[in-house]
Amino acid sequence: DVKVTQSSRYLVKRTGEKVFLECVQDMDHENMFWYRQDPGLGLRLIYFSYDVKMKEKGDIPEGYSVSREKKERFSLILESASTNQTSMYLCASTDQEVSGANVLTFGAGSRLTVL
Amino acid sequence: GQNIDQPTEMTATEGAIVQINCTYQTSGFNGLFWYQQHAGEAPTFLSYNVLDGLEEKGRFSSFLSRSKGYSYLLLKELQMKDSASYLCAVRDSNYQLIWGAGTKLIIKP
Repeated sequence: DVKVTQSSRYLVKRTGEKVFLECVQDMDHENMFWYRQDPGLGLRLIYFSYDVKMKEKGDIPEGYSVSREKKERFSLILESASTNQTSMYLCASTDQEVSGANVLTFGAGSRLTVL
Repeated sequence: GQNIDQPTEMTATEGAIVQINCTYQTSGFNGLFWYQQHAGEAPTFLSYNVLDGLEEKGRFSSFLSRSKGYSYLLLKELQMKDSASYLCAVRDSNYQLIWGAGTKLIIKP
């Protein structure tokens, strides 16, 4: 069964701390994504990557950065966490074909609380 | 701007039928997706529509009208395990996904 694994399900951090959220997929997918999910809002795309060492800004990249050194791993970095970054973070992956029913496979999410 | 609208919450009875609507206004259209998300879990794919009409998959069906910017997800013979949030997403002209806020479906015995 295909999997996207997010290493931390729950994190509590303090304002100003550096935060790493890790995501690993075992499907050899080219495309990986980081979303945040907040109550009353649709999923919002933070960053995505189409290949190793490539990254593209999504709709809300401010305050975040990413790293993709290996095809299977896509990391989200909060350089200096702030309270408004308290959220559920979802990682997803999909294969290269962008048309048709190109289905996203999601991880279970990382719930981050910034105090 | 781009917008996806879904009801925030719906309640239905076990064994019944429920229809969850989704209306959209996007810059272009390249398909509409429905995902199911149980509380605390990953969203999982339910259906994909790109042409007008009804797509049936077991107890779940999804309908699309591109001219009306409208879709619905129909769930039949509801089971308690169908209690979840249902997310509607549209792929726009740039092949980016625009997501609705989701509809929380509560199933009562």
